Amino acid sequence: GIQVEQSPPDLILQEGANSTLRCNFSDSVNNLQWFHQNPWGQLINLFYIPSGTKQNGRLSATTVATERYSLLYISSSQTTDSGVYFCARGAGSYQLTFGKGTKLSVIP
Amino acid sequence: DAMVIQNPRYQVTQFGKPVTLSCSQTLNHNVMYWYQQKSSQAPKLLFHYYDKDFNNEADTPDNFQSRRPNTSFCFLDIRSPGLGDAAMYLCATSRSQGIRSNQPQHFGDGTRLSIL
Repeated sequence: GIQVEQSPPDLILQEGANSTLRCNFSDSVNNLQWFHQNPWGQLINLFYIPSGTKQNGRLSATTVATERYSLLYISSSQTTDSGVYFCARGAGSYQLTFGKGTKLSVIP
Repeated sequence: DAMVIQNPRYQVTQFGKPVTLSCSQTLNHNVMYWYQQKSSQAPKLLFHYYDKDFNNEADTPDNFQSRRPNTSFCFLDIRSPGLGDAAMYLCATSRSQGIRSNQPQHFGDGTRLSIL
């Protein structure tokens, strides 16, 4: 089946630090999305990024489809950034297969 | 604000007692999804509706059913909940115009289901 691998599985940051989360996928992609799940379980769509680079405030994402990976950058991390970050890839077209996530803890 | 709304936020039911979870959306998206998420795991797709067409994942148990009476509403029915069905159930929507048209998925806040 289609593999979506995320690294690292866990990450602890001091507030203000920067980080990079990685997502590798085993097949070609035309649908790649990043999500943040906060400690209350709410799942927020951060980026729809099948290729290229996008930025939204302190967050940015880059997908290199030809090399089958995507990166999520978090700059100047805040405690509210804590939670689990999921990468999800289109399994057929619009359906998504999720990676296991990166659990981020930002400490003051 | 346009959104995906799930009710209730928390649901407790008894072992074997049927339960229905609801989802509504004001985004006018044609695709609606139901995911199951167990503790410390990734969301797992159960099924989805593309317009009125129902699409079941191969490994979704028969115990799980869904209804979509109109564009705005979608229901998840668990006919005989077992202890292993305790989980967060997430509804999501997206707009799609065919196999090569992909748009972001938007999630509701989820319903956390407990089984007694």
